[in-house]
Amino acid sequence: SQTIHQWPATLVQPVGSPLSLECTVEGTSNPNLYWYRQAAGRGLQLLFYSVGIGQISSEVPQNLSASRPQDRQFILSSKKLLLSDSGFYLCAWSVPQGLAEKLFFGSGTQLSVL
Amino acid sequence: SQELEQSPQSLIVQEGKNLTINCTSSKTLYGLYWYKQKYGEGLIFLMMLQKGGEEKSHEKITAKLDEKKQQSSLHITASQPSHAGIYLCGADNSGNTPLVFGKGTRLSVIA
Repeated sequence: SQTIHQWPATLVQPVGSPLSLECTVEGTSNPNLYWYRQAAGRGLQLLFYSVGIGQISSEVPQNLSASRPQDRQFILSSKKLLLSDSGFYLCAWSVPQGLAEKLFFGSGTQLSVL
Repeated sequence: SQELEQSPQSLIVQEGKNLTINCTSSKTLYGLYWYKQKYGEGLIFLMMLQKGGEEKSHEKITAKLDEKKQQSSLHITASQPSHAGIYLCGADNSGNTPLVFGKGTRLSVIA
């Protein structure tokens, strides 16, 4: 069966520090991969999605970036965190039949930037 | 771009009572997804609706998509503490774009 792993679960970082969140999927090939962020009052916001290795689409311009170095690995990064980057980050995957498919979510990373 | 409005934003009900959560889209929906989230955890898929007038049920939760495919409702019958959490609707309006989500409805069930 397919599983999705996301880590760390909790992270506290100072403003201006770098960020790296990792997500891996097991049990499926060539999944579509997504990063969402959930912030108070703003709901669940799509940040990036990827339909294949090295293919990244950005939905929101900001100081975050994403990379997909391997088929089932999706990484969210920042060179310098801002206070506004605080939030709950969720990785998700869907079957490679199209983007508008049922999403399977990881357990999330609570990021606090101080 | 697709926008989803959920109402109410939060809801407190007594155990055993029925409740309804609504999700309204600014555009015709290609597919409508309902998810549940416990605080600080990932989202769990509940149901997907695609056809106008479609209705699906899972245990005590029923979801409907209206004929015009611009509004969906989620109804819980005889609520229990296990139903507490955040309910989010997600949608796609073209058939091949990533899902966008509403802001969620926070449900509390009190004994």
